[in-house]
Amino acid sequence: DAKTTQPNSMESNEEEPVHLPCNHSTISGTDYIHWYRQLPSQGPEYVIHGLTSNVNNRMASLAIAEDRKSSTLILHRATLRDAAVYYCILRNNTNAGKSTFGDGTTLTVKP
Amino acid sequence: NAGVTQTPKFQVLKTGQSMTLQCAQDMNHEYMSWYRQDPGMGLRLIHYSVGAGITDQGEVPNGYNVSRSTTEDFPLRLLSAAPSQTSVYFCASTLGGGTETQYFGPGTRLLVL
Repeated sequence: DAKTTQPNSMESNEEEPVHLPCNHSTISGTDYIHWYRQLPSQGPEYVIHGLTSNVNNRMASLAIAEDRKSSTLILHRATLRDAAVYYCILRNNTNAGKSTFGDGTTLTVKP
Repeated sequence: NAGVTQTPKFQVLKTGQSMTLQCAQDMNHEYMSWYRQDPGMGLRLIHYSVGAGITDQGEVPNGYNVSRSTTEDFPLRLLSAAPSQTSVYFCASTLGGGTETQYFGPGTRLLVL
């Protein structure tokens, strides 16, 4: 299965945009790019996913590179409640139940 | 829907004891998984199941057993607890497929002395 690479940590100021990068150079054509986040002392929760086109929802935006080898999760205005570990994973129809999570990116939001 | 539920929330074991971590989901999901998360680390896959009666090993299966007799339940058994199994355990479920969301339970904190 294709792997993803994310920076260990990032910092942001409150109410500023945050761009969280993810590299997935060995992505296959059937892999969807999913993002999850884990708030302190909680289980991970879904944020957003996409295949080729950029995606928006109430939580965030996902920008996918044209060659699909990288993607960026965009939080438009970071709040203190967005401080969490963010995971980028690849999922397809054959690995749905056995998704592996790396160490993710720990986002710190400063007031 | 209750979603994914896990019991107990917290457990202390002595080395060599056995126990079962319970996981249940009420969303009729075929796929269920167990992960462990050590302090400051990401999630590592222990075992997973793609349907009732079907289980397989993940990245770190040693010391754990699973079974899936119903769609709803996916218990994780620690055969003989060791201090290295001190961790937070998360259960997850999904319908399957590349577009489906994976739902996680609140976790079980396990301390092995």
